[in-house]
Amino acid sequence: LAKTTQPISMDSYEGQEVNITCSHNNIATNDYITWYQQFPSQGPRFIIQGYKTKVTNEVASLFIPADRKSSTLSLPRVSLSDTAVYYCLARWAGNMLTFGGGTRLMVKP
Amino acid sequence: DADVTQTPRNRITKTGKRIMLECSQTKGHDRMYWYRQDPGLGLQLIYYSFDVKDINKGEISDGYSVSRQAQAKFSLSLESAIPNQTALYFCATSDGVTGTDTQYFGPGTRLTVL
Repeated sequence: LAKTTQPISMDSYEGQEVNITCSHNNIATNDYITWYQQFPSQGPRFIIQGYKTKVTNEVASLFIPADRKSSTLSLPRVSLSDTAVYYCLARWAGNMLTFGGGTRLMVKP
Repeated sequence: DADVTQTPRNRITKTGKRIMLECSQTKGHDRMYWYRQDPGLGLQLIYYSFDVKDINKGEISDGYSVSRQAQAKFSLSLESAIPNQTALYFCATSDGVTGTDTQYFGPGTRLTVL
């Protein structure tokens, strides 16, 4: 099954903006790109979802270029509690959504 | 998410035993999923069901079976557990809305096979 590609890990410091980019070269035409957050020993939790351009909610922003072959999750002014694994999900035509390995974000004081 | 519950939350069993993990949801969603997560790794899809009469294999279905007893219930069975099935198991649901189909996860079941 085709999967998204994102960095394995990232480090940041409190108060910084963090951008995590995901590539999904062959996303299905009608499908959205969805990002989830997972803390240790918990189920993933929905963060944000978008189809194109920019989406912003109280937690994050999502930037999607016109070709939709990638997307960037932006976390403004991260805190220690943002330390988690972040998954990007997209669907390829005819396939199920699949979780890749995610990006392990470590926020340091 | 309290709308998706899993039982048991923790289970220790021995090789060769039959194990059933249960998932219930009150979200009214038609779609349900079972995932497995090994330490430090991402989630792998075991089985999924888009309605009561629809069951589909995921990425890693060997050694597992499922039963969709009702819209709200989806059970995962290990017919003869083996140590490499030791993992964290998550159930999820989604509303099936075209394009978005956001998934909602249960708290997980930690299974240890000795």
